[in-house]
Amino acid sequence: AQSVTQLGSHVSVSEGALVLLRCNYSSSVPPYLFWYVQYPNQGLQLLLKYTTGATLVKGINGFEAEFKKSETSFHLTKPSAHMSDAAEYFCAVSSGAQKLVFGQGTRLTINP
Amino acid sequence: DAGVIQSPRHEVTEMGQEVTLRCKPISGHDYLFWYRQTMMRGLELLIYFNNNVPIDDSGMPEDRFSAKMPNASFSTLKIQPSEPRDSAVYFCASSLLNTEAFFGQGTRLTVV
Repeated sequence: AQSVTQLGSHVSVSEGALVLLRCNYSSSVPPYLFWYVQYPNQGLQLLLKYTTGATLVKGINGFEAEFKKSETSFHLTKPSAHMSDAAEYFCAVSSGAQKLVFGQGTRLTINP
Repeated sequence: DAGVIQSPRHEVTEMGQEVTLRCKPISGHDYLFWYRQTMMRGLELLIYFNNNVPIDDSGMPEDRFSAKMPNASFSTLKIQPSEPRDSAVYFCASSLLNTEAFFGQGTRLTVV
């Protein structure tokens, strides 16, 4: 069975500071990994994904994530936070079975 | 493409009533997912379809819930009878094989 653990249900950073949202996964097969963002009262929007190939993936809005198989991690980073980054972020894992399993989410707050 | 379209966006109903949520996936996508999001349980996969056939309904909470996909462009999630604990945001998503899922805006269900 697959699972995702997001460390920290709430993360608060200052505008301009580094954003780091942590995600660890468990999968018995090579995983596909995703980060989604959810703004209030909206659906989930894909930020970035890892399927195969390069382990450092870049996404929209300046975000990137690195797949580290040895650490079973897929942490999300952004060098400089912007007020518009305030949202809830979800890490997800799937296998060839196509079933997406989500973490519990991390609410990101940006302090001016 | 207009993306995944869900209706209604908001639904308020009385306990015991039947509720039907609707979803139109992105044209050409052959996977369709129904998720439920609550504060307590996060994002839960209820059921998913491949080529209109239900593949995994292990997340459907109980017999009061049923889902159908009569054709490639339409799916319903029905709750009969509804209960206050069914109050949640229900998301529909669609995808192609081994690609990311695209989410609708969700239906916020309130059962009073």
